[in-house]
Amino acid sequence: SQQGEEDPQALSIQEGENATMNCSYKTSINNLQWYRQNSGRGLVHLILIRSNEREKHSGRLRVTLDTSKKSSSLLITASRAADTASYFCATDEWVGGAQKLVFGQGTRLTINP
Amino acid sequence: DAGITQSPRHKVTETGTPVTLRCHQTENHRYMYWYRQDPGHGLRLIHYSYGVKDTDKGEVSDGYSVSRSKTEDFLLTLESATSSQTSVYFCAISEYQGDGYTFGSGTRLTVV
Repeated sequence: SQQGEEDPQALSIQEGENATMNCSYKTSINNLQWYRQNSGRGLVHLILIRSNEREKHSGRLRVTLDTSKKSSSLLITASRAADTASYFCATDEWVGGAQKLVFGQGTRLTINP
Repeated sequence: DAGITQSPRHKVTETGTPVTLRCHQTENHRYMYWYRQDPGHGLRLIHYSYGVKDTDKGEVSDGYSVSRSKTEDFLLTLESATSSQTSVYFCAISEYQGDGYTFGSGTRLTVV
């Protein structure tokens, strides 16, 4: 099952601009997480937002969650070349008392100098 | 990534041979996961473990088995490798359910 779906699939912006990525999901969640993956590397956890939270900040990252629309957005402000990566949202799925993360296919972000 | 290592990093194997990938953690985390990443499919869960000798199947478990005899090691075995199992395999750990995951650097497996 694929819960989260990111939009857009690819995004290219100039350094210094803000980047916004969206994630939609299908079923109710306890939390939603965002991860970054640099080329050829593993995923790195960025931020977790719980279902009773609407907004969360971490440095230049801002995540919002709208459970009524089953959607989340990740905003990266004042982008840098080092932000070039793929970004994934992941939602928790509970099966038989065990929680697992289900990942979307990601947004590939390119920051142009 | 600190606290979690995968081996080997790259492997080429022939169709029909068994292959074992290793995930080793030094964080003493209870939960461990194996995912595969393929273009167009994102990351898909193969198997996971919620303790020593406690494992369960994920979304794409056919053709794979796992073992966890110690907290720190989670092994993924391809019983008889097929070309469809060519992929990048990631191990992840978490201390509690509902936590963020820490991922390893991945193993790129090619089955020829």
